[in-house]
Amino acid sequence: AQSVAQPEDQVNVAEGNPLTVKCTYSVSGNPYLFWYVQYPNRGLQFLLKYITGDNLVKGSYGFEAEFNKSQTSFHLKKPSALVSDSALYFCAVRDRGFQKLVFGTGTRLLVSP
Amino acid sequence: GAGVSQSPSNKVTEKGKDVELRCDPISGHTALYWYRQSLGQGLEFLIYFQGNSAPDKSGLPSDRFSAERTGGSVSTLTIQRTQQEDSAVYLCASSLAQGAYEQYFGPGTRLTVT
Repeated sequence: AQSVAQPEDQVNVAEGNPLTVKCTYSVSGNPYLFWYVQYPNRGLQFLLKYITGDNLVKGSYGFEAEFNKSQTSFHLKKPSALVSDSALYFCAVRDRGFQKLVFGTGTRLLVSP
Repeated sequence: GAGVSQSPSNKVTEKGKDVELRCDPISGHTALYWYRQSLGQGLEFLIYFQGNSAPDKSGLPSDRFSAERTGGSVSTLTIQRTQQEDSAVYLCASSLAQGAYEQYFGPGTRLTVT
C-alpha cells in the first residue's frame, strides 16, 4: 500500500530564511512524487513533481524538492521564504501502477515578517 | 486557459437528502478524479475516470456515492441519503492523460449536511 508521512503539522520560519517541509513515502515500486499548496478556501495548486532523472526538481515560485531514494524522502525546500508562502502544503505519491494520488496530512507553513 | 471548475461552491443540505456536485475539467484533459477533504480523514481519493474505460471506484466510501462522466467531459458526483459524516470539501481534478501527468484541482464544493 502507498502512504505518505508529513511529520510536522506546522513549520515556522522567518522571512528571508531557508525553509524545509519534510515528506517521506512508502510505495511498492518506483514512485511519482508531487507537492501541492493550498491557500485558504482554495483548491490545491500544483508546485512540482518528481518522475525520474535528476533528484533535484525545481518548481513554481522558487520551490524545489530533493528526491532521496535510500531515505524514501521528498523534502520541499526554498532558499528564501516569503510571507506570501504561508499556506498548507501537501506531499503526494502515486505508485506507477495506479492513478490515484495518496496525500500526506499536510504541513502548515507560517512565514513571519 | 480556464482551469477546473466546480459547482456549487457551497451546498447545505438536510440529512437524508440527495445532492449532486458538478465538475467541469480542463478542456482536452482525458483523466478526471474526485477527492474528498475533511478534517478527520484528510485528502482521500474517491473515483477516477479515464476516457471510455470503466472508472476506478475503489475509493467510494459507500454505495450511497456514485459518479458519472458524460461525453468524456463533465462529471457529476451524486450522494444519496446524505449523512452528517458526508460533510467535507469535495475536490475534482483533471490531468492530460493517465501516466506521469500532474493533476489540476478545482476550487472544491463545500458540503454541509445538517
